[in-house]
Amino acid sequence: NAGVTQTPKFRVLKTGQSMTLLCAQDMNHEYMYWYRQDPGMGLRLIHYSVGEGTTAKGEVPDGYNVSRLKKQNFLLGLESAAPSQTSVYFCASSTRRGHSNQPQHFGDGTRLSIL
Amino acid sequence: EDQVTQSPEALRLQEGESSSLNCSYTVSGLRGLFWYRQDPGKGPEFLFTLYSAGEEKEKERLKATLTKKESFLHITAPKPEDSATYLCAVQAIGRGSNYKLTFGKGTLLTVNP
Repeated sequence: NAGVTQTPKFRVLKTGQSMTLLCAQDMNHEYMYWYRQDPGMGLRLIHYSVGEGTTAKGEVPDGYNVSRLKKQNFLLGLESAAPSQTSVYFCASSTRRGHSNQPQHFGDGTRLSIL
Repeated sequence: EDQVTQSPEALRLQEGESSSLNCSYTVSGLRGLFWYRQDPGKGPEFLFTLYSAGEEKEKERLKATLTKKESFLHITAPKPEDSATYLCAVQAIGRGSNYKLTFGKGTLLTVNP
């Protein structure tokens, strides 16, 4: 059972470089999310998607872009990386059952360092 | 603005020493409160969802309870393998907010043998 898979697991970038983080889920979930986790800050929502072709801003969207071209994939892009974007990035997905949103399932994260 | 505060930030227990973790929340309307466990280098792993005050859920040595202002995660006779960071999150009722979770900063639990 793969669940939510994130690639890459680790990456080091130089300031100003760009990169894309990939999230793939095999549970046919409608909703997908990108979070960042920093020491002392907890998990903060960057962007999310409620379905294929749709995206929306979360709590800390600046400096990031996302795309959801396929239901199973959610991409997070950094156009010009900054040291403040050094963090651990988590992707999550969830589904809906009736009026109840089901728990979010998380990947194991991408550890990104910006030098 | 939805807020979640977890206490204590860190808790060290001896094996078999029961205790509780606290999650206080402020939300306009609660759709659900979630507890997760996170091991080092891993993503959060879902434990429980609570929907209304008075509700309780149990799983092995863990029991989660909910009131209108806070939730408790009770750990009975913990073992070293229960060591992890425990995260609490709330999901609010409301247009545009019912898909999103607001997380607390977590409680780091260490259980010594």
